[in-house]
Amino acid sequence: EDQVTQSPEALRLQEGESSSLNCSYTVSGLRGLFWYRQDPGKGPEFLFTLYSAGEEKEKERLKATLTKKESFLHITAPKPEDSATYLCAVQARNTDKLIFGTGTRLQVFP
Amino acid sequence: DAGVIQSPRHEVTEMGQEVTLRCKPISGHNSLFWYRQTMMRGLELLIYFNNNVPIDDSGMPEDRFSAKMPNASFSTLKIQPSEPRDSAVYFCASSLVGANYEQYFGPGTRLTVT
Repeated sequence: EDQVTQSPEALRLQEGESSSLNCSYTVSGLRGLFWYRQDPGKGPEFLFTLYSAGEEKEKERLKATLTKKESFLHITAPKPEDSATYLCAVQARNTDKLIFGTGTRLQVFP
Repeated sequence: DAGVIQSPRHEVTEMGQEVTLRCKPISGHNSLFWYRQTMMRGLELLIYFNNNVPIDDSGMPEDRFSAKMPNASFSTLKIQPSEPRDSAVYFCASSLVGANYEQYFGPGTRLTVT
């Protein structure tokens, strides 16, 4: 069964304190791994898609990486506006469905 | 582009009443997804359509839930009769399947059934 596990559930950082969020997955033939950001009261906002092990993508203070078993979302020198829940999802090759993890709630304090 | 549009944004109803949620996908997208989000279960896929045809409804909790997509620019999710355990945030998302598969979400409908 396709599955996604995210850790930690919650993370509190001081502004400027870099860290990483983990997404472990099992899927029968990966088509893509997706990262989303969700702010309270809003829908998930697309960040990145990773397709193969070794691939990396960056956007401002965020960098996503992918291995055959997990993905990391690295946050460098975070700011309070980076506070949100970060969701990871996988898609198998034989479907258009996304299987989501339960997310990591990130709080960045000034 | 206006993005995915959902209505209403908030719905409060009494148990036993019919509830209809509406979604307008991004123009040009060929797939539409309905999700439900709760604190306990996270984000769960209910049903999705490709080219207006339902492909996978295995996430629909029971026969009280039904979804339609009469054309490429409109979909509905109906709950009849509603129950308190249906209280959740319902999201609609659309994507261009066959291209990049990225799904773009609407702002959601917060449903409260009393």
